[in-house]
Amino acid sequence: DARVTQTPRHKVTEMGQEVTMRCQPILGHNTVFWYRQTMMQGLELLAYFRNRAPLDDSGMPKDRFSAEMPDATLATLKIQPSEPRDSAVYFCASGLVPRWTGPGANVLTFGAGSRLTVL
Amino acid sequence: GQQVMQIPQYQHVQEGEDFTTYCNSSTTLSNIQWYKQRPGGHPVFLIQLVKSGEVKKQKRLTFQFGEAKKNSSLHITATQTTDVGTYFCAGREPGGSYIPTFGRGTSLIVHP
Repeated sequence: DARVTQTPRHKVTEMGQEVTMRCQPILGHNTVFWYRQTMMQGLELLAYFRNRAPLDDSGMPKDRFSAEMPDATLATLKIQPSEPRDSAVYFCASGLVPRWTGPGANVLTFGAGSRLTVL
Repeated sequence: GQQVMQIPQYQHVQEGEDFTTYCNSSTTLSNIQWYKQRPGGHPVFLIQLVKSGEVKKQKRLTFQFGEAKKNSSLHITATQTTDVGTYFCAGREPGGSYIPTFGRGTSLIVHP
């Protein structure tokens, strides 16, 4: 089965350090999402891209977070500087959105996540 | 904006008991999806419902989409320890961005 690949799986860093998370979406998927999951907030949508173009990043703290998709095989989420409140699991997901019919139409496939701990 | 509410937040059951989680939207949905996240894992797609009143079954899991397309439910018959996890619904509004709005999820704990 095709997979969304995320790196790193775990990251422990100190407050103030830069953190970069990477995602390789499924080949052929046109939409890539970044989610953050915490116990308090559940699954929060941070940003998403369609055909590599950023469409919405209103869920992201703009002063410290940035998301890019330099090519079709790589999406990045960067935090600079990191803070303890950024500690969470960050998921990347990809899908064919919108698709009216066909196998996998509008289904999101999530990566295994990057667990970030900021001390 | 669209809101998707899920209840309950947590549910403890004894193995063999039934379980139901409910999903309610503030607006009419074009479709609804359900995902399952095992502890320590990532959300995995289970099913998508599109039609008003639609009912779909996957073994012991029954999914329903309300007649008004504003609510949905997931029912598990005779829970097993393998059912443990968090179940999320995700709804899409007609038109718009086609981006799903996820509920907060219901965490199911099954006691052997």
